[in-house]
Amino acid sequence: QKEVEQNSGPLSVPEGAIASLNCTYSDRGSQSFFWYRQYSGKSPELIMFIYSNGDKEDGRFTAQLNKASQYVSLLIRDSQPSDSATYLCAVRNTGGFKTIFGAGTRLFVKA
Amino acid sequence: NAGVMQNPRHLVRRRGQEARLRCSPMKGHSHVYWYRQLPEEGLKFMVYLQKENIIDESGMPKERFSAEFPKEGPSILRIQQVVRGDSAAYFCASSPLRQESNYGYTFGSGTRLTVV
Repeated sequence: QKEVEQNSGPLSVPEGAIASLNCTYSDRGSQSFFWYRQYSGKSPELIMFIYSNGDKEDGRFTAQLNKASQYVSLLIRDSQPSDSATYLCAVRNTGGFKTIFGAGTRLFVKA
Repeated sequence: NAGVMQNPRHLVRRRGQEARLRCSPMKGHSHVYWYRQLPEEGLKFMVYLQKENIIDESGMPKERFSAEFPKEGPSILRIQQVVRGDSAAYFCASSPLRQESNYGYTFGSGTRLTVV
């Protein structure tokens, strides 16, 4: 079992729709959870972090965390073509020193 | 107010040569993390260093790879006798002395290594 699992996609949504990206993790003691966006040929950039159960909203982005199910998701409302990228889920381990990344989900937003 | 600086941006090496990748952390940061990204894959943790100390190298191959972060100067990731399978993007991130659990990384622009 991979430490952090994501569907590789591609996930295709029409412009204006909600894109839902999902991630599961194996270390039950994980403390912090992050979503990064990576455009082709670029470095990852941090979008959001979450460490408490529930929802956290920032503009068009909402991160959701369910520690009991070891599940974290990212919702992108009013998706734009500029949101087309690979989204990486990342989990910080119990010791707090190392962040483990999933393989990423490719998102395409069709104009 | 420079971010994490990596150089070179692109590096081409022939099989058997050595590759040296450099990473200068953000100002005031003394912790550095190296990750490798193979084409169409996620980031794989390689090594975590503090100044003059390797804290966690569990993700680094035992042979040919080494990393250092000297008291002065950038962190160096060194790959000896490169092979085609080393071709990847290598990213570096840094954090302050005291890393809060919710601290997200700022990555450098990466070094794209191509072994021919």
